[in-house]
Amino acid sequence: DTEVTQTPKHLVMGMTNKKSLKCEQHMGHRAMYWYKQKAKKPPELMFVYSYEKLSINESVPSRFSPECPNSSLLNLHLHALQPEDSALYLCASSRRLAGPEQFFGPGTRLTVL
Amino acid sequence: GESVGLHLPTLSVQEGDNSIINCAYSNSASDYFIWYKQESGKGPQFIIDIRSNMDKRQGQRVTVLLNKTVKHLSLQIAATQPGDSAVYFCAENPSYLYNQGGKLIFGQGTELSVKP
Repeated sequence: DTEVTQTPKHLVMGMTNKKSLKCEQHMGHRAMYWYKQKAKKPPELMFVYSYEKLSINESVPSRFSPECPNSSLLNLHLHALQPEDSALYLCASSRRLAGPEQFFGPGTRLTVL
Repeated sequence: GESVGLHLPTLSVQEGDNSIINCAYSNSASDYFIWYKQESGKGPQFIIDIRSNMDKRQGQRVTVLLNKTVKHLSLQIAATQPGDSAVYFCAENPSYLYNQGGKLIFGQGTELSVKP
């Protein structure tokens, strides 16, 4: 299995909702990443997990809360988001920190109303 | 400051022609440079990488050239096909960021359109 999967593919939520994005990989990778991507822009790093521990938080607002339950799963919990948080949220993994090759999932297209 | 940028935001080529996508970087302390392809509605897909101690690396129909003297990276696609239409991002993997989880620094992207 050489895939990173993400669910859901699309998500529409109101500003008072709580939702979660999920990411899974079965490649034995020990580093996992969350990125945010706006249209026609490069991915922006949000969080990095290494061996299930949070390694980097790129000063992301607390309304985004990551979680790594085990080495194959990565979640992003969303609460009280703003319309400007609408974007494509990408998950990626790599064999180790400083990969350099990161495998990306297809993303979750999030719309905040 | 550090940056990885691309010279052109869009590139249009005829099917069958060769494509060259360029990238300029400002940070000399990178071990790897990577090219990603992102098709519409999909996540970025790794194409090829090159280590900083190399000048050239070839893959299937793609070649990456690294000129450290002028801090320039390019991706050449031979016999471009409609399936090559996508946004191409260069990225660098600075060694000084390894303790920050192997952070990639992405360029702005070039949108390649292939005309049949």
